[in-house]
Amino acid sequence: TQLLEQSPQFLSIQEGENLTVYCNSSSVFSSLQWYRQEPGEGPVLLVTVVTGGEVKKLKRLTFQFGDARKDSSLHITAAQTGDTGLYLCAGAQGTGFQKLVFGTGTRLLVSP
Amino acid sequence: GAVVSQHPSRVICKSGTSVKIECRSLDFQATTMFWYRQFPKQSLMLMATSNEGSKATYEQGVEKDKFLINHASLTLSTLTVTSAHPEDSSFYICSAREADTQYFGPGTRLTVL
Repeated sequence: TQLLEQSPQFLSIQEGENLTVYCNSSSVFSSLQWYRQEPGEGPVLLVTVVTGGEVKKLKRLTFQFGDARKDSSLHITAAQTGDTGLYLCAGAQGTGFQKLVFGTGTRLLVSP
Repeated sequence: GAVVSQHPSRVICKSGTSVKIECRSLDFQATTMFWYRQFPKQSLMLMATSNEGSKATYEQGVEKDKFLINHASLTLSTLTVTSAHPEDSSFYICSAREADTQYFGPGTRLTVL
């Protein structure tokens, strides 16, 4: 059972456009992480959000954690071809080993 | 950031053979490592949690006798796919936990003929 649903599943845009990826769940998470994955490689951590309502910015990327800590969004401003990749959200539940539950993924293609 | 390596990066084997994949944390010690499986164009699915010095914890539906995990030291966990079959072909990714962050390895592409 996939607890985290991402939308859209696939997004193809032109360089310079803005986009938002959503990560939704009915479950509460103690923290939520966003990763970007290139083909044939492991995921690379972009950001971790912990507090409900938290907003973090990483250059052109803005991440928001929902007030109830059940959902998150990733907004990219003025997308570049280098932003192409698979974006994954992952939620941590409970304490201890902090198992991650991964979202369904959003594949982004930015064309020149 | 912390670095996690995997070896081999690619492996092709015949059906019925066993394959071992290594996951190493290079610059930190990890009491907990995780093994994931990823099918083409899909997300990561957690297979098991590897705990140093104790038995691994497997997710529901994952056969522990087929996917043997050994976490013998604070920097090394191994996943052995026993009696591999074509349906075991996949991208296997490990991660190692440092504090509240998981750092992922580059993955191992397993192809079973």
